[in-house]
Amino acid sequence: SQQGEEDPQALSIQEGENATMNCSYKTSINNLQWYRQNSGRGLVHLILIRSNEREKHSGRLRVTLDTSKKSSSLLITASRAADTASYFCATEPNTGNQFYFGTGTSLTVIP
Amino acid sequence: DVKVTQSSRYLVKRTGEKVFLECVQDMDHENMFWYRQDPGLGLRLIYFSYDVKMKEKGDIPEGYSVSREKKERFSLILESASTNQTSMYLCASSFPTGIQYFGAGTRLSVL
Repeated sequence: SQQGEEDPQALSIQEGENATMNCSYKTSINNLQWYRQNSGRGLVHLILIRSNEREKHSGRLRVTLDTSKKSSSLLITASRAADTASYFCATEPNTGNQFYFGTGTSLTVIP
Repeated sequence: DVKVTQSSRYLVKRTGEKVFLECVQDMDHENMFWYRQDPGLGLRLIYFSYDVKMKEKGDIPEGYSVSREKKERFSLILESASTNQTSMYLCASSFPTGIQYFGAGTRLSVL
């Protein structure tokens, strides 16, 4: 399987703290994306980083990509209770149209 | 706004029944995907389609088939439902190498 892995599987922090989650993958990629899923719902796209980019920001989100280590990290700064959700990374290999999702990090932000 | 609509949010079926899960997107996306999501396993790709009448197997196609007769509609078929197909099913669509847009999901229970 080319499925990626997120680390940690679960993370619990206080409101206002930063949350960092990591993603490792196995193949060369065109891009890597991060998605968020609220309980029992579909996934919502957060940010896309291309293979030739090293860092990207969107609001309170910061994503880094290290293609030599085949890893990415998602940082959520100044977390809020509403950030409580599961976060998934998804990679698009440079060999096709398919996406490979990781197993997800469950984030709980305590008010 | 992109809309991906799955026909049912919750579905209960009996073992051996033929089950149809429908997905419709309104963005003229070439690619459409069916995933299943199980606790601890993340999202696993069942089938995807990159054009009308075209389909490719994902990681877990056994026990499933798909149909894409029109660009906007991608159907997942369980020919003879079994209890191990109880899961959350997620449909997504995208342009090639683009962001995936997800439906709200169908939670299927097979009794």
